[in-house]
Amino acid sequence: NAGVMQNPRHLVRRRGQEARLRCSPMKGHSHVYWYRQLPEEGLKFMVYLQKENIIDESGMPKERFSAEFPKEGPSILRIQQVVRGDSAAYFCASSPRGYTQYFGPGTRLTVL
Amino acid sequence: TQLLEQSPQFLSIQEGENLTVYCNSSSVFSSLQWYRQEPGEGPVLLVTVVTGGEVKKLKRLTFQFGDARKDSSLHITAAQPGDTGLYLCAGAMNKFYFGSGTKLNVKP
Repeated sequence: NAGVMQNPRHLVRRRGQEARLRCSPMKGHSHVYWYRQLPEEGLKFMVYLQKENIIDESGMPKERFSAEFPKEGPSILRIQQVVRGDSAAYFCASSPRGYTQYFGPGTRLTVL
Repeated sequence: TQLLEQSPQFLSIQEGENLTVYCNSSSVFSSLQWYRQEPGEGPVLLVTVVTGGEVKKLKRLTFQFGDARKDSSLHITAAQPGDTGLYLCAGAMNKFYFGSGTKLNVKP
């Protein structure tokens, strides 16, 4: 049973470009969570999704950030017009029913 | 304000010593997880505790969930350099709430 997959593992963007981060949950998991982590800090919740629904986006910045989890395919975290402050590690976790989360390896975004 | 408070924030000990990390809250959780994270990697699940008062052991690691399901502790016996990492607790309610982490360094 493959674990949570994230790609790319590393992403470099110039200011103003778009960043698109992908997350494929574990098989059978219908809950996906996105977190952001700065160096030497803990995880900050961003958004919680189930298939085709955003359940909680209270941790998402109001502008430039969006997330989706379509019926088919991976969950996508999209950051438009990236700025240097968006540089961080972004982690996705999946869960079968909100009981325990399993994390992917993360995408490290660097904005030049 | 953090819903889950972890302490200590940093811990540097010698190989062979024992240590305890605490995760405290005033809120009740349906379950609580402990993770370990190494630099450049995602958090790896160590344990999930569900029942108040529950104790789980994983080799040299002992996890306890408080009777009221508001707090938890992680005790490591005879720490080894391989235990070095960031330890995170997470409580499940309507979503998951993370503590700020305990950075452990075990010196050989």
